[in-house]
Amino acid sequence: SAVISQKPSRDICQRGTSLTIQCQVDSQVTMMFWYRQQPGQSLTLIATANQGSEATYESGFVIDKFPISRPNLTFSTLTVSNMSPEDSSIYLCSVVTGYNEQFFGPGTRLTVL
Amino acid sequence: KNQVEQSPQSLIILEGKNCTLQCNYTVSPFSNLRWYKQDTGRGPVSLTIMTFSENTKSNGRYTATLDADTKQSSLHITASQLSDSASYICVASPYSGGGADGLTFGKGTHLIIQP
Repeated sequence: SAVISQKPSRDICQRGTSLTIQCQVDSQVTMMFWYRQQPGQSLTLIATANQGSEATYESGFVIDKFPISRPNLTFSTLTVSNMSPEDSSIYLCSVVTGYNEQFFGPGTRLTVL
Repeated sequence: KNQVEQSPQSLIILEGKNCTLQCNYTVSPFSNLRWYKQDTGRGPVSLTIMTFSENTKSNGRYTATLDADTKQSSLHITASQLSDSASYICVASPYSGGGADGLTFGKGTHLIIQP
């Protein structure tokens, strides 16, 4: 299994500012994923972050808005830039282990005023 | 377009009672169907993963069924407990194994167990 921690667990931010969310895994993993879970909606994949390469973004998500770093095999960050109230959501980090199992972090609950 | 529809949207039952959650999927290609439990303020946790050739899989008081012909799945919870209060998410995958590629997530069923 994999134990994932995220920081911060929640935050309230002002419109136009940026927030960086950290994701730490207790083991080395090749693939890390960032999801968004808006109220009443299903999880939506934002991007896939592999160590040593640029993140791959899903349709509707761009690097300027959601820059991602993946400096090593246990850590990643997602930045939500120039925030608006529409960015209010839960942001989840996820990994797939070497046994091809998917695990999720506890999420970061973001509220933008 | 791949879709996963879950019903009901929300459900309230008394502690000790059984309940069944439904999932209809339109995903092609299809390889496996997963059920996750998501407690408030937590990330989803896997309950079951079934390949298209499996009809049923249990995890304690949770039993999932799959009918690949009708593209329907259900999650049955027996003798519910207060700790079962959570959102239950159905996920369809086009690829074998438990990886994250190409997943289609349902919106979830919000289950409340009352004492």
